Amino acid sequence: QSALTQPASVSGSPGQSTTISCTGTSSDVGSYSLVSWYQQHPGKAPKLMIYEGSKRPSGVSNRFSGSKSGNTASLTISGLQAEDEADYYCCSYAGSSTWVFGGGTKLTVL
Amino acid sequence: EVQLVESGGGLVQPGRSLRLSCAASGFTFDDYAMYWVRQAPGKGLEWVSGISWNSGSIDYADSVKGRFTISRDNAKNSLYLRMNSLRAEDTALYYCAKADCSLTSCYIDYWGQGTLVTVSS
Repeated sequence: QSALTQPASVSGSPGQSTTISCTGTSSDVGSYSLVSWYQQHPGKAPKLMIYEGSKRPSGVSNRFSGSKSGNTASLTISGLQAEDEADYYCCSYAGSSTWVFGGGTKLTVL
Repeated sequence: EVQLVESGGGLVQPGRSLRLSCAASGFTFDDYAMYWVRQAPGKGLEWVSGISWNSGSIDYADSVKGRFTISRDNAKNSLYLRMNSLRAEDTALYYCAKADCSLTSCYIDYWGQGTLVTVSS
């Protein structure tokens, strides 16, 4: 149950796009289409942004998109806005009814 | 509106026990799996435990297996986490989370605000 690997930080200017990677193994990300992404603002609970790798819940901006290739999942945020500045976490099913999160990525909007 | 309200956190000495509760409302509680996820101060999220809608499937992270027990009372729309033999490394904000699971999909869609557990002498 090792944590998924995410970059500690990414940044971008307003209007630009940025991508956050989430690398796991063939036992988690690589084996299942069950990767979700969460946004967490300071002092707040996480919020679901992407589920099943690429699906957006109702109410989440279409500026957020997800994808997966092999053992790596990615979250892309286009048209960066100041309100997107937050921590982002990926999560993957890891088999045997267990789950694993990434270490989190701090997004800074310059 | 889905609401998950955790309670029961506090300061506890190493080796002692604590029981967390989560009161759920705004959805049909006994239709959904539920999880506990924790976040140590300044750290990332860690899945702790999960329980199916009927308590038929229960699982734990290796870090808490044998010390923590998850349970639910569908009649009371409540989720619980009994934590024994607490260690300093269990210090964290503990979130109650609702999962939307089917035969081919599963993900956490709602989170509570968390209850803080501090293990210290």
